[in-house]
Amino acid sequence: DIVMTQSPLSLPVTPGEPASISCRSSQSLLHRNGNNYLDWYVQKPGQSPHLLIYLGSNRASGVPDRFSGSGSGTDFTLTISRVEAEDVGVYYCMQGLQIPLTFGGGTKVEIK
Amino acid sequence: QVQLVESGGGVVQPGRSRRLSCAASGFTFSDSAMHWVRQAPGKGLEWLAVMSYDGTNKYYADSVKGRFFISRDNSKNTLYLQMNSLRAEDTAVYYCARSGVDASGLLSAFDIWGQGTMVTVSS
Repeated sequence: DIVMTQSPLSLPVTPGEPASISCRSSQSLLHRNGNNYLDWYVQKPGQSPHLLIYLGSNRASGVPDRFSGSGSGTDFTLTISRVEAEDVGVYYCMQGLQIPLTFGGGTKVEIK
Repeated sequence: QVQLVESGGGVVQPGRSRRLSCAASGFTFSDSAMHWVRQAPGKGLEWLAVMSYDGTNKYYADSVKGRFFISRDNSKNTLYLQMNSLRAEDTAVYYCARSGVDASGLLSAFDIWGQGTMVTVSS
């Protein structure tokens, strides 16, 4: 199974400041078709998860452009350019290259 | 509107069975791969199972293989999860989620999630 490791576990942020979350996979998520099968989800308090970024760097519909995804192979980053109060929640990466699909352990973003 | 609505959760005794349902609307269910994902209290997300759009292919996480069974009825736009031999560690919120399949035959991201249904396994 592909193991997904996120860091940090917790990320206190100041509104208006940038924030970054790291996600590493135990195997490369780069397919021969050129896509990285790495997605980012956020679960806001009391809600179900929803999709932020797919295939490593593509924002899902309706996602603000302050969110961006980068990386390739085994190392990926989710960046929030300027954190807003509504961005609090737990962020998860997930690999979609191989079954079983596996999630990272999550990063809790909270406002300082 | 586009939505998935899970039902069937509740309190169930260890060793017993439970069937969850996930009703889809607002999108073409019969073109979609469908998944079950769970979240134990205070824990992260765990993928459990996927079924292809036509029901011919299904895959499971090792943690539920042989105990949980995924199925679907495209005529009713509904996904199911039959859970047998339930254990305390199966206590979780169970979500269904939709994905597609891309041109390379790989599963795409989960672009629709349900609100979840809570299953508590306790005597």
